[in-house]
Amino acid sequence: SQTIHQWPATLVQPVGSPLSLECTVEGTSNPNLYWYRQAAGRGLQLLFYSVGIGQISSEVPQNLSASRPQDRQFILSSKKLLLSDSGFYLCACLQGDKNIQYFGAGTRLSVL
Amino acid sequence: QKEVEQDPGPLSVPEGAIVSLNCTYSNSAFQYFMWYRQYSRKGPELLMYTYSSGNKEDGRFTAQVDKSSKYISLFIRDSQPSDSATYLCAMKGFNKFYFGSGTKLNVKP
Repeated sequence: SQTIHQWPATLVQPVGSPLSLECTVEGTSNPNLYWYRQAAGRGLQLLFYSVGIGQISSEVPQNLSASRPQDRQFILSSKKLLLSDSGFYLCACLQGDKNIQYFGAGTRLSVL
Repeated sequence: QKEVEQDPGPLSVPEGAIVSLNCTYSNSAFQYFMWYRQYSRKGPELLMYTYSSGNKEDGRFTAQVDKSSKYISLFIRDSQPSDSATYLCAMKGFNKFYFGSGTKLNVKP
């Protein structure tokens, strides 16, 4: 089964600073990859998903962007963070043969 | 109308109780249904997975899917304090997953 690595676990950034969160997957090839944001006490908001290298689908127009430079690498970025970008960011991977989604441990971002 | 509706709770029960968690959905095309458990400040972990209608049992957990009513349930028997967490239901669409907002469960010792 696959393993999803996300880092850092916690991040505190000032407003206006750039952001780069990385997600890498082991144990599978050509996975569908996802970025979600979860606000405190709220459900999961799908931000981006990718079905292959260089392919990005954006679900919510906002201050963030995503890239997939390698098959098992998914990066979430921002040029200038806003206070509203604070939240818990989760990377997920689809196990295609079972149609099941697995999650990484998440990054808790606080923008101050 | 949201794709998936889930009562946010919180739900508080005594240890040993039977817990029933539920979600309703609107898209009759959904075929794959999941329940995730999320502890505070952690990523969701897959608890149960069901394809189409029917029941699935795993230890103290039972997942039910009623496609005719567009209703899914998760039952927890002999609930333990360690079951205290937020439970998320999820359904797979085309390339995307649709999640409920989560039900927070507290099992009191």
